[in-house]
Amino acid sequence: DQQVKQNSPSLSVQEGRISILNCDYTNSMFDYFLWYKKYPAEGPTFLISISSIKDKNEDGRFTVFLNKSAKHLSLHIVPSQPGDSAVYFCAASARNYGGSQGNLIFGKGTKLSVKP
Amino acid sequence: GAVVSQHPSWVICKSGTSVKIECRSLDFQATTMFWYRQFPKQSLMLMATSNEGSKATYEQGVEKDKFLINHASLTLSTLTVTSAHPEDSSFYICSASPDRTYGYTFGSGTRLTVV
Repeated sequence: DQQVKQNSPSLSVQEGRISILNCDYTNSMFDYFLWYKKYPAEGPTFLISISSIKDKNEDGRFTVFLNKSAKHLSLHIVPSQPGDSAVYFCAASARNYGGSQGNLIFGKGTKLSVKP
Repeated sequence: GAVVSQHPSWVICKSGTSVKIECRSLDFQATTMFWYRQFPKQSLMLMATSNEGSKATYEQGVEKDKFLINHASLTLSTLTVTSAHPEDSSFYICSASPDRTYGYTFGSGTRLTVV
């Protein structure tokens, strides 16, 4: 059973417009969420994260929104730039019983293409 | 800060041989490191959690005898793919974090091709 779902495998956006990437999760124990950007044959690059005590976190052009009741989060990129073209992974984690960090569970990713 | 270095970035090996992949935290200590594998067009799948000074915790379906993990120090974890077969060809990535609020940092990954 997939605990983190990114239902859109791809997204195409015009340069300058907003890109909205969505992610749903099923495990109510998740309390920390992250977005990563990944280019082919490279490791993921951390973009932005959000703790479950917040519903919004902003960093420059990137904003992550968390809706805990809907178990849904989204990443907004505005304005979108061609250099943003990559695969974006949503990930979540929960604290272990002893309070230490748990591993990340990833969605399958959404390939974003920003057209000039 | 929080740099994770992974080597090699790519390796080609013959079937039946073993390959070692290293993951180092360069500017922080990592008691826990994570090893992921990514198949083409699929998500990153957690293989195992590497714990400094103790045995690794493997995810269901991952053969611990094939994927040997050693976390001998607070800055180094190694993944050895033993008796590699073509189906082991994949992209392997390690990850660690100095602090949960900082986020997880990934190595650059290793592209393994078994011929």
